[in-house]
Amino acid sequence: EPEVTQTPSHQVTQMGQEVILRCVPISNHLYFYWYRQILGQKVEFLVSFYNNEISEKSEIFDDQFSVERPDGSNFTLKIRSTKLEDSAMYFCASRDDSNTEAFFGQGTRLTVV
Amino acid sequence: AQSVTQPDIHITVSEGASLELRCNYSYGATPYLFWYVQSPGQGLQLLLKYFSGDTLVQGIKGFEAEFKRSQSSFNLRKPSVHWSDAAEYFCAGKGTDKLIFGTGTRLQVFP
Repeated sequence: EPEVTQTPSHQVTQMGQEVILRCVPISNHLYFYWYRQILGQKVEFLVSFYNNEISEKSEIFDDQFSVERPDGSNFTLKIRSTKLEDSAMYFCASRDDSNTEAFFGQGTRLTVV
Repeated sequence: AQSVTQPDIHITVSEGASLELRCNYSYGATPYLFWYVQSPGQGLQLLLKYFSGDTLVQGIKGFEAEFKRSQSSFNLRKPSVHWSDAAEYFCAGKGTDKLIFGTGTRLQVFP
């Protein structure tokens, strides 16, 4: 069964460093998303991406964040200068154009120290 | 504003007992509604979804949910809980293209 794959599963980084979280969406999907979940809290929408551009972003998704689909298969989330409060589980999701459910990856746990 | 509310933060049941997890939504139109389960340290697994049609939807692992427009609810039920059902359960709604999650209900199951 096709699935969304995220790497790495866990990343530890120092405050101020740049991190790139990687996702391989399901191959025929066209809509891509990043969500995050701070430990013990609910899952929050960050950004949606379609047709090589951001279609919607939340207030959390400030200038420190960017997304890219560099090669037609990967979908990345970059945090330019990490802060302690960026520590969270980051989930990638994708869906096809039938407007049904999005499929989630297993997440990347980001720890900023 | 669109929102999803899960009134119960933590629920404890005995194995074999029935379960109902509450979810209320606030949307202008009929939303797409979902229930996800998250085991500790794991990702989000879709249990079931409601888009339209029959208001009682069946999901995986023996779960079902009923959409009640009059109560703005989409409660998750299971007739007999297993110890492996212990996890965090999230209700989510989709109005525009993004999912809006509730705060989650942590289910604890006692033997």
